Amino acid sequence: DAGVTQSPTHLIKTRGQQVTLRCSPISGHKSVSWYQQVLGQGPQFIFQYYEKEERGRGNFPDRFSARQFPNYSSELNVNALLLGDSALYLCASSSGTGDYGYTFGSGTRLTVV
Amino acid sequence: EDQVTQSPEALRLQEGESSSLNCSYTVSGLRGLFWYRQDPGKGPEFLFTLYSAGEEKEKERLKATLTKKESFLHITAPKPEDSATYLCAVQEYNFNKFYFGSGTKLNVKP
Repeated sequence: DAGVTQSPTHLIKTRGQQVTLRCSPISGHKSVSWYQQVLGQGPQFIFQYYEKEERGRGNFPDRFSARQFPNYSSELNVNALLLGDSALYLCASSSGTGDYGYTFGSGTRLTVV
Repeated sequence: EDQVTQSPEALRLQEGESSSLNCSYTVSGLRGLFWYRQDPGKGPEFLFTLYSAGEEKEKERLKATLTKKESFLHITAPKPEDSATYLCAVQEYNFNKFYFGSGTKLNVKP
């Protein structure tokens, strides 16, 4: 079975631009979470979605938004990019029941120049 | 205020030299505490979830324990392939938020 897949793997954007990152969860997983990981730090929680509804939100500005589709895939959108948005963006999925263990994808490396 | 603090930041061990990593947390309502392993350039790999004080879980050379304010990840007779960054995360009950620590970078030398 495929794990959590994220696309693209890398991208470079200019300050002020907008970016959309995509995530496909493990088949059968209904919960998707997004994280930002700056080099040398732990992941910072951005959003959690379960059954297409937002269930949790971290301390990120409104420039960050996300949605989950009927097939449980998800998109993270960041508007008006800043240099400080450069990071590894991780998506994680879970069945939402039982152990609550989340499976992470390999991430999208975003560089803002 | 940091919700999750991990120590030490870095740890160098000789192969076979057992040790423990610490994760202390300050969230008011703990839904679960998670341990992950992260290799360079990869996403975190799930290891354990702990839910209540006194709980313990084991996997190969790793054993995780939980008290009311901290968790320990014990590594018994580590091998070089155990070298990685170990991350601790807590999930808050009421707000469904996750907080990660900055991790402990473990280096096991042969």
